[in-house]
Amino acid sequence: KAGVTQTPRYLIKTRGQQVTLSCSPISGHRSVSWYQQTPGQGLQFLFEYFSETQRNKGNFPGRFSGRQFSNSRSEMNVSTLELGDSALYLCASSLVGGGEQYFGPGTRLTVT
Amino acid sequence: QKEVEQNSGPLSVPEGAIASLNCTYSDRGSQSFFWYRQYSGKSPELIMSIYSNGDKEDGRFTAQLNKASQYVSLLIRDSQPSDSATYLCAVNGLTDSWGKFQFGAGTQVVVTP
Repeated sequence: KAGVTQTPRYLIKTRGQQVTLSCSPISGHRSVSWYQQTPGQGLQFLFEYFSETQRNKGNFPGRFSGRQFSNSRSEMNVSTLELGDSALYLCASSLVGGGEQYFGPGTRLTVT
Repeated sequence: QKEVEQNSGPLSVPEGAIASLNCTYSDRGSQSFFWYRQYSGKSPELIMSIYSNGDKEDGRFTAQLNKASQYVSLLIRDSQPSDSATYLCAVNGLTDSWGKFQFGAGTQVVVTP
């Protein structure tokens, strides 16, 4: 089975711009979670989607949003980028959520 | 108080020895527990999952869970240089938040030849 894929792998944006990241889960997995990883804060939960519905949300501002499509693919969007948004954004999928999660390679976002 | 706590390390382990990693969590409602390994510049890789009290073994890895004491540990037997990485503890099933994972900051393990 193919693993979790994320696109793009690297991205450089300017403050104030917006960005959309994409995640394709493992075939058959219906839960997709997004995380932000920075050296200072570690791995922080952004949100989880299951069957096209946001089921859980972390403590991030409303500039961070996401959605899930009927084929379980997911996108996350960050609007009005700030320098502090520079991070590795990771997507993880699991069969139904709450169980074993498998991570994609991540998208490295740099905001200048 | 952090919800999931791990010693940051680095934990230096001689090759062939046992590495012992600990993780404590604050929410008694937590249901499932995971250990991930993350090499520098890579994404986390699932090593073990454990759902009930006791030990679970998989190859050189053993996870131990004690819900009463709210800790989960990972033992790596016969440590190899390739085990040098950061190990992340993850906890799921916080009260009213099934599917919302909390990760510890990770323990860096360095296996010395």
